[in-house]
Amino acid sequence: SSELTQDPAVSVALGQTVRITCQGDSLRSYYASWYQQKAGQAPVLVIYAKNNRPSGIPDRFSGSSSGNTASLTITGAQAEDEADYYCNSRDSSDNLYLVFGGGTKLTVL
Amino acid sequence: QLQLQESGPGLVKPSETLSLTCTVSGGSISSSSYYWGWIRQPPGKGLEWIGSIYYSGITYYNPSLKSRVTISVDTSKSQFSLNLSSVTAADTAVYHCARHQYDLWSGYCDYWGQGTLVTASS
Repeated sequence: SSELTQDPAVSVALGQTVRITCQGDSLRSYYASWYQQKAGQAPVLVIYAKNNRPSGIPDRFSGSSSGNTASLTITGAQAEDEADYYCNSRDSSDNLYLVFGGGTKLTVL
Repeated sequence: QLQLQESGPGLVKPSETLSLTCTVSGGSISSSSYYWGWIRQPPGKGLEWIGSIYYSGITYYNPSLKSRVTISVDTSKSQFSLNLSSVTAADTAVYHCARHQYDLWSGYCDYWGQGTLVTASS
């Protein structure tokens, strides 16, 4: 099965732009989606299918993809964006398996 | 607003079977547009996809767990369930149920339950 790799931790100054990346072979075939998880809470979908935002997600969140790498960009990071972020995609097999990245802890300074 | 709620024992003995149920409200579990599934998260670690089920009973399981996992659905009760057999301490985790969406290019979970902590311990 596929694997998705994320940097364990990233930091950003308040109001600045940060990019969180996700790498894996499955991303050559399938789009990534992204989740925000705050301590003690369930994950929340923030970007799906490469660059679509669910209702209620601020437009400072955006997604992109190139080759085997997907990125989540937060433009003008806010204090409330401090959280763990996970990417996921379909597995590179033909079945409907899902795979998740290991997560990135975002610190807003 | 769609809501999912997990229920089940918080403590399971090693070698026994973990059983959880997810109750769906505010939407139809029989919709042809969605799958329903389970994701777990060991304390302090990342998310691991367990598997998903269609309302007709079609299932997909994580290959690493497939030999021990069964997911079933009861549309009359708007519920789906997870059974994980022969548990060990490594199965201690918060278990989330979630609605899955798939298309030709993606698969993702758009609604999640709050999660329930299951501890495997004697």
